[in-house]
Amino acid sequence: EIVLTQSPGTLSLSPGERATLSCRASQSVSSTYLAWYQQKPGQAPRLLIYGASSRAAGIPDRFSGSGSGTDFTLTISRLEPEDFAVYYCQQYGGSPLFAFGPGTKVNSK
Amino acid sequence: EVQLVESGGGLVKPGGSLRLSCAASGYTFSSYSMNWVRQAPGKGLEWVSSISSSWSSTYYADSVKGRFTISRDNAKNSLYLEMNSLRAEDTAVYYCANWGDSYYHYMDVWGRGTSVTVSS
Repeated sequence: EIVLTQSPGTLSLSPGERATLSCRASQSVSSTYLAWYQQKPGQAPRLLIYGASSRAAGIPDRFSGSGSGTDFTLTISRLEPEDFAVYYCQQYGGSPLFAFGPGTKVNSK
Repeated sequence: EVQLVESGGGLVKPGGSLRLSCAASGYTFSSYSMNWVRQAPGKGLEWVSSISSSWSSTYYADSVKGRFTISRDNAKNSLYLEMNSLRAEDTAVYYCANWGDSYYHYMDVWGRGTSVTVSS
């Protein structure tokens, strides 16, 4: 079973700052199957990144993803007020079929 | 507009049953596999179940295997989740989500969710 760990649990930053979120897998995973989602309170998750580094339709270019093997990163280059939310990484394949990380909350300092 | 709308949630006693529905519109539902994902209060996302476009394959998380059944009706553009032997730990918001790509395997369209509370 592949387990995803995200760090930090909470990130306190100011608008305009850079956010770096980490997702670590318990064993090597294909970057093809690594995605990132954003969730705001009371809303459904929204796909941001797929294939570890490809932005989904309509996602601003301040969001970028990178990584391979067991270590993946979501970077928000300059935080906008609407970016304060919880971010989840997700991996496909194995057991369970889809696995989500526990999430990183980005809140306003 | 591509849209998924869940319904059927509510309050149910432990050991009870509930059937969730998800109505799809704005795209060719029958071409895509679908998923159910849940989120317990204040917790993260948990994948529950998936079904292929033609209903030829179904998948379940260990936590619900044998108790939940996923199904679909492509003629009605609808996805279902039959939940039996419900437990307190099944309390969550249940989202249906489109399995957007058979190569990258991400979920690109989500409904707003329906809330299930299991309590006596």
